[in-house]
Amino acid sequence: QKEVEQNSGPLSVPEGAIASLNCTYSDRGSQSFFWYRQYSGKSPELIMFIYSNGDKEDGRFTAQLNKASQYVSLLIRDSQPSDSATYLCAPETSGSRLTFGEGTQLTVNP
Amino acid sequence: DTGVSQDPRHKITKRGQNVTFRCDPISEHNRLYWYRQTLGQGPEFLTYFQNEAQLEKSRLLSDRFSAERPKGSFSTLEIQRTEQGDSAMYLCASSLTVMDEQFFGPGTRLTVL
Repeated sequence: QKEVEQNSGPLSVPEGAIASLNCTYSDRGSQSFFWYRQYSGKSPELIMFIYSNGDKEDGRFTAQLNKASQYVSLLIRDSQPSDSATYLCAPETSGSRLTFGEGTQLTVNP
Repeated sequence: DTGVSQDPRHKITKRGQNVTFRCDPISEHNRLYWYRQTLGQGPEFLTYFQNEAQLEKSRLLSDRFSAERPKGSFSTLEIQRTEQGDSAMYLCASSLTVMDEQFFGPGTRLTVL
């Protein structure tokens, strides 16, 4: 079992739709969860982080965390073509290092 | 620009040669991380420092890899006797403290011929 699993892509949504990105993790000790966006050829940039169970909203982005189910998700509302990128889920594991999933490639079609 | 810089941005080398990369973190950040990323994969943890102390190394990291952060500021990552399988993007990140967000540098793309 992989430490971090993300929904397989690529994911394609029309402009204005909601994009839903999912992630499960195996380390029950993880306390912090990060979503990074990575454009092709660029380094990851932080989109959201969440520590507590429930929802956290920041503009068009909502992160959801369920520690009992070891599940974290990212919703992107009113998707824009500029959101087209690979989204990486990264729980913080022992020693505060990040363990990344393989990423989900999102394409938003105009 | 996150404030984390890496040098060089690109490195092409022949198999068997040694290479060294440098990372300059955000100045007040105590923690510095090295990751490696290959095409189609997420970044893979290599090692991290708290100030000048190297606190953890990935068990996947062979003895050919060594990292230093001598004065708790910049860090270097050296790969000895490079192999074609070392070809990847090497990413450096820094954070203020534990559990803080990590800011990534632009990366150094290594190609081993």
